[in-house]
Amino acid sequence: AQSVTQLDSQVPVFEEAPVELRCNYSSSVSVYLFWYVQYPNQGLQLLLKYLSGSTLVKGINGFEAEFNKSQTSFHLRKPSVHISDTAEYFCAVSARAGNKLTFGGGTRVLVKP
Amino acid sequence: NAGVMQNPRHLVRRRGQEARLRCSPMKGHSHVYWYRQLPEEGLKFMVYLQKENIIDESGMPKERFSAEFPKEGPSILRIQQVVRGDSAAYFCASSPNLIELFFGSGTQLSVL
Repeated sequence: AQSVTQLDSQVPVFEEAPVELRCNYSSSVSVYLFWYVQYPNQGLQLLLKYLSGSTLVKGINGFEAEFNKSQTSFHLRKPSVHISDTAEYFCAVSARAGNKLTFGGGTRVLVKP
Repeated sequence: NAGVMQNPRHLVRRRGQEARLRCSPMKGHSHVYWYRQLPEEGLKFMVYLQKENIIDESGMPKERFSAEFPKEGPSILRIQQVVRGDSAAYFCASSPNLIELFFGSGTQLSVL
């Protein structure tokens, strides 16, 4: 079984400042890793995914994440946030031989002007 | 290509009534997943279905909850005799390849 821990439940950040959202996972098998964003009253939208290959993954809206196998982490970063980035962000993992996503508890990002 | 369609968007039920939540996957997707999001929590897996088959229902409560994905028509998540603790957002996702999931906008169930 897999588990995901998002270390920060809320992250306030000023507009145009950088942001990093932390995600750690545990699994006894190889995994795929994902970050999703949920805007208020909406479903989840895929930001980026790591399946294999380069450990630095670039996604939509200027986000990127780095897979670190030794630290079992998949932290999400953006160098300069906008007001429109205010949302909840979920890290998720699935076993490569499996068929469901396990989600972290989410990190709420509030971008202040 | 339309996204994953869920309806209704909001559903209000009184305790003891039945709730039926519908999900139409994206065209060409044969895998459907249901997740539940309780207030202030992340999404919890409930069930994974392919056409006419339940593949993994390890996240489904043992009683009152059922799901189906018939050969024709949408996937249905059915909750019988709802209780206040069933109030949550229910999300459906579909996948073409067992790797990437595409989510619908969810059904917000409120039990009075």
